[in-house]
Formats: sequence, structure tokens, C-alpha cells
Amino acid sequence: SQQGEEDPQALSIQEGENATMNCSYKTSINNLQWYRQNSGRGLVHLILIRSNEREKHSGRLRVTLDTSKKSSSLLITASRAADTASYFCATDAQGGSEKLVFGKGTKLTVNP
Amino acid sequence: DAGVIQSPRHEVTEMGQEVTLRCKPISGHNSLFWYRQTMMRGLELLIYFNNNVPIDDSGMPEDRFSAKMPNASFSTLKIQPSEPRDSAVYFCASSLMGAAVTGELFFGEGSRLTVL
Repeated sequence: SQQGEEDPQALSIQEGENATMNCSYKTSINNLQWYRQNSGRGLVHLILIRSNEREKHSGRLRVTLDTSKKSSSLLITASRAADTASYFCATDAQGGSEKLVFGKGTKLTVNP
Repeated sequence: DAGVIQSPRHEVTEMGQEVTLRCKPISGHNSLFWYRQTMMRGLELLIYFNNNVPIDDSGMPEDRFSAKMPNASFSTLKIQPSEPRDSAVYFCASSLMGAAVTGELFFGEGSRLTVL
């Protein structure tokens, strides 16, 4: 299976701290995406990084991709209570597949 | 834009009953995905359509599940007969695909199904 696996499963930090979540996957990919899900809501796209990119920034988000290790990390800097959510990585499969397969997510709690 | 619209948001039914979940994708999007989310299995891709044509239904758990997309603005996921193990949140997502490369998915708010 190409499913990504996030690590840790749960993370609890204080407001203002940085949060780092990791994702590992098994097959070669075209791109890797990170999504956020607030409790009881749908998933929301955060950032997409292509297989030929190594790092990408969007506001307080920083994503890295290491294709040799088949891993990615999502860093949220200066976290806020509103960042409390589950975060998922999703990968497609190199070779033309349009399927996007999600990991089981990291549940982040930011305490005020 | 209204986003992806799913209905119903909540459905409680009894085992053996037929369940129909509905989805209206974002106008102009050419791909539509149905996912199921449970605590045990996470997010599972059930089926996806491109230009209203089912491309991959390998994730559909069994013959009790069927999905249709009669036009670009509407899709249904039907379970008949329903079983308690079908209880989950079902998400519809749409995207604008190009050259078989997966782009950003836009998700609906989900349909929470409980089968008693």
C-alpha cells in the first residue's frame, strides 16, 4: 500500500511552541499534500509539495520532502489554540494514478 | 463559491435499509471522489470519477455499495442493504485534474451515517 503514515499519532503542546509532524510513505510519488481537519468538519488543503521540491513555505507552515527516505514533515511555527486539529498527509502514486491516499493523521492539541 | 455540498449531514437508519448519500461538486471541477472515514481504518478511498466516468472503484467494499455520477454536478453513493459496520463519515471531494496528476482536493463537510 502507498498509504502514508503520520507520526506521532497525537501531539500536545503549549501555545507559541512549534509543532512538527512527520509522514512516511512507501511508493514513488508525483506530489505529497498536507490537509487539516477540525473536529466534525471536512478536510482542508494546506500545502502541496512536488517530488522535485525539497521545501515549501506557506505562512506559518513549512513542509519538507525527502524522496530518498520517502518522508515528509510539516512544521507549524508559533502555534495557536486555533491550530488544534488533525493533520493528514496524502500521496498519489507516480505513474499517472489520480488516487490520493491519506494516512491516519496526527491529532494536534495546542493548549492556551 | 458554495464549495462541495453533501446531504444529508446526519443519517440514522436501521440495518437492512437503503441509504443514499448525495454530493454536489464545485462547478467546473472534473473529478469527484468518495471517501469513508472511521477511527479504525482512517480515510479510505471508495471510488473516484473523472468527467463523470468511474475510473477506479477498487475501494468499494462490496456489492452492497454503488456510486453514480449522472452529470457533472451530482453524484450519489448508495448502500443497499446497510449494515452496522457501514457506520462511518462519508466524504465527497472534488478537484480539477490535469494530465492524471492529482491536485488539491476540496472536501464537503461529510455525511455521518449510523446504522443500528
